[in-house]
Amino acid sequence: AQSVAQPEDQVNVAEGNPLTVKCTYSVSGNPYLFWYVQYPNRGLQFLLKYITGDNLVKGSYGFEAEFNKSQTSFHLKKPSALVSDSALYFCAVRPHNAGNMLTFGGGTRLMVKP
Amino acid sequence: DTAVSQTPKYLVTQMGNDKSIKCEQNLGHDTMYWYKQDSKKFLKIMFSYNNKELIINETVPNRFSPKSPDKAHLNLHINSLELGDSAVYFCASSPQLTGSYEQYFGPGTRLTVT
Repeated sequence: AQSVAQPEDQVNVAEGNPLTVKCTYSVSGNPYLFWYVQYPNRGLQFLLKYITGDNLVKGSYGFEAEFNKSQTSFHLKKPSALVSDSALYFCAVRPHNAGNMLTFGGGTRLMVKP
Repeated sequence: DTAVSQTPKYLVTQMGNDKSIKCEQNLGHDTMYWYKQDSKKFLKIMFSYNNKELIINETVPNRFSPKSPDKAHLNLHINSLELGDSAVYFCASSPQLTGSYEQYFGPGTRLTVT
């Protein structure tokens, strides 16, 4: 069975500074990896995904994520945080051969302060 | 032109009642899902439907029954509601069951059982 760990319940960063939200995973075989964002009282919105190939994936709103197979990590990054980036971020994983059943991490709340 | 919609947005009811939550997607997707998000924001898949057939059924009480009148709709019916059923329920869809497709989420239905 697959699993996802987001070790930080909350990440605080000042506006304009770079941000990183961490994610590690455990899965049999090759993974599809996803990041979603949830704003208050809203559904999840897709940010980006890793399928195969280039380890650096670029997504919506200036976010990017780096796939590291040896460390089984898929950390979300942004060079310059905005106050409007404050939200709940979820990492998710699915093995290539497991239908479309996503396993989500517990979520990390990102707080960007002016 | 909302992609995935759910009704109602809020649902307050008493223990023992039966209630339904409706979900519709206008994306032409083949697969739909129901997720439960608990008070700690943890997300867990409950069901998925592919071409009107239930293909994943996690360890969910049989008080919960998904019903799909057609490919665009996946409703969630809950019998004999319990306090522990209080949560936010999200509907989602994806183009196919397999492949690297991301899922598209509805806005959620906040269920409160008193």
